[in-house]
Amino acid sequence: GAVVSQHPSWVICKSGTSVKIECRSLDFQATTMFWYRQFPKQSLMLMATSNEGSKATYEQGVEKDKFLINHASLTLSTLTVTSAHPEDSSFYICSAPTGLAGVGSYEQYFGPGTRLTVT
Amino acid sequence: RKEVEQDPGPFNVPEGATVAFNCTYSNSASQSFFWYRQDCRKEPKLLMSVYSSGNEDGRFTAQLNRASQYISLLIRDSKLSDSATYLCVVTDTGGFKTIFGAGTRLFVKA
Repeated sequence: GAVVSQHPSWVICKSGTSVKIECRSLDFQATTMFWYRQFPKQSLMLMATSNEGSKATYEQGVEKDKFLINHASLTLSTLTVTSAHPEDSSFYICSAPTGLAGVGSYEQYFGPGTRLTVT
Repeated sequence: RKEVEQDPGPFNVPEGATVAFNCTYSNSASQSFFWYRQDCRKEPKLLMSVYSSGNEDGRFTAQLNRASQYISLLIRDSKLSDSATYLCVVTDTGGFKTIFGAGTRLFVKA
């Protein structure tokens, strides 16, 4: 099946620094990828849709200047958390849709996630 | 109203029990429906797609009722390894953007 990787798997950074998270589709091309955030004991919340060759689309309440998304190629999207603060500590997961679930039905393949801790 | 709502849980059941999860969605034009499973501190993994005709995979049965905007998942003969959070997932009218329910935690005990 389709594989999506993320790097790093975990990162600890100091408040005020920026952190870049990479999401790669390993055996398929992904013109679109999604970025989610998950706080402890909560569900995944969609942050933004990353589009290859165009600007990302952010969900309501997500600061685009704080969470910079770049979809550099058909297999790579990056999320940069700028000027990170402790409240940004969370589990960040990316996904890429494939058409393997049938016509008009897109199964999401998820990366393993990146656990960010801001001290 | 949340776009996708699930039973709040958690569910605590003994091994061998049958457990049912319920989910409702608000957008009648939603395209596709799935159940995902998420283990602690891991990414979600697809459990099964959900169709109006019903979908069965071993001990797992999923059902969709478009008229009621209701999705269900039934687990029969539950195993210890079924302990996880079960996420009801709906995609938008384009079939692309994914909306997650809050999840229902299941604990299966010996």
